[in-house]
Amino acid sequence: GAVVSQHPSRVICKSGTSVKIECRSLDFQATTMFWYRQFPKQSLMLMATSNEGSKATYEQGVEKDKFLINHASLTLSTLTVTSAHPEDSSFYICSASRDRGLGQPQHFGDGTRLSIL
Amino acid sequence: GENVEQHPSTLSVQEGDSAVIKCTYSDSASNYFPWYKQELGKGPQLIIDIRSNVGEKKDQRIAVTLNKTAKHFSLHITETQPEDSAVYFCAASKEIYNQGGKLIFGQGTELSVKP
Repeated sequence: GAVVSQHPSRVICKSGTSVKIECRSLDFQATTMFWYRQFPKQSLMLMATSNEGSKATYEQGVEKDKFLINHASLTLSTLTVTSAHPEDSSFYICSASRDRGLGQPQHFGDGTRLSIL
Repeated sequence: GENVEQHPSTLSVQEGDSAVIKCTYSDSASNYFPWYKQELGKGPQLIIDIRSNVGEKKDQRIAVTLNKTAKHFSLHITETQPEDSAVYFCAASKEIYNQGGKLIFGQGTELSVKP
């Protein structure tokens, strides 16, 4: 079945550090990938839509300069949290679906737990 | 904007009983409705989905029903087992051909199945 791999699974770093998270579709091509943020006991909030070969589309209220997205190939999207602060601590999850018609479900990675000290 | 309401937020059942989770969506153009199960510390896992041209879909102990007129869809789990305990999310999407449609998630239901 479809697999989405996310790396790293956990990051602990100091305030002011930039952190890069990778999302890979392992056995299918994905022109579009999605990045979500989830706080404890809450739902997934879409942050941005990552488009291969073009700029990401950010949801309202998400800072483009804070959360840099690069979708350099059909199987890899990266999210960089720049100059991270404690309020950026959260669970970040990516998803991807096959580029083939309709009815292709989104498959999620296992998330990255980001803790900023 | 688009919105998905999910109820209940918590649900506790005895092993073997049925569990029902309900969602309502606001955008009548939504045409795809997946359900995800999320275990602690993991990403959501797709358990079943339904498209707007279908009223009901079943996969073993899990079924989903869709009422387009009322903009309601529900997840039904029969013969619940302790391993069904998790957080369940409904979602709605407007699919675009050859592209993934963005998912709008409900608030989640924490299901607890007691042995």
